[in-house]
Amino acid sequence: AQSVAQPEDQVNVAEGNPLTVKCTYSVSGNPYLFWYVQYPNRGLQFLLKYITGDNLVKGSYGFEAEFNKSQTSFHLKKPSALVSDSALYFCAVRDTNTGNQFYFGTGTSLTVIP
Amino acid sequence: DAMVIQNPRYQVTQFGKPVTLSCSQTLNHNVMYWYQQKSSQAPKLLFHYYDKDFNNEADTPDNFQSRRPNTSFCFLDIRSPGLGDAAMYLCATSRVLNTEAFFGQGTRLTVV
Repeated sequence: AQSVAQPEDQVNVAEGNPLTVKCTYSVSGNPYLFWYVQYPNRGLQFLLKYITGDNLVKGSYGFEAEFNKSQTSFHLKKPSALVSDSALYFCAVRDTNTGNQFYFGTGTSLTVIP
Repeated sequence: DAMVIQNPRYQVTQFGKPVTLSCSQTLNHNVMYWYQQKSSQAPKLLFHYYDKDFNNEADTPDNFQSRRPNTSFCFLDIRSPGLGDAAMYLCATSRVLNTEAFFGQGTRLTVV
């Protein structure tokens, strides 16, 4: 069975500091990995994805993520946090063995402190 | 410019009264999904369509049904809403496998 874990419910970081939001996954096939951001009472917005190729992927709003196969991780990073980055972040996985479903982690609430 | 549109944004229904939520897309994607999300929890997949093929998640209650009359539209029917069904319902679309899902803004359902 496929699963995604986000070990931190809450991450606080000072504005201008680097941020990391952690994600680990478990799949039976090859993983397709995604990060989404959600603002209050809104749908999910796509940030970036890893399908194949370079382990470091760059996405929207200056975010990037590193795929690490040996650690089964896909942590989201940004070199310099903005107050406007404060939101709920979800990691998601698609398992190539099981088809079209996206499965989401429990989410991490990021607060960037001015 | 909107790509996945959910109507209404807010829906109030009475306990036990059937309610339908709608979703439309302009992306011509094969796959359409319905997710239930409760207060800052992870979105929970209820079911999805791949074209006309319906795929129900094993733990989706029978109270939840879906229809996809054509590529562009998909409906979520809750036959007898209970208080526990109050949530944000998210519709999403994607092409197959190696592409991201695009989400609508969601419909927040309140059951009174």
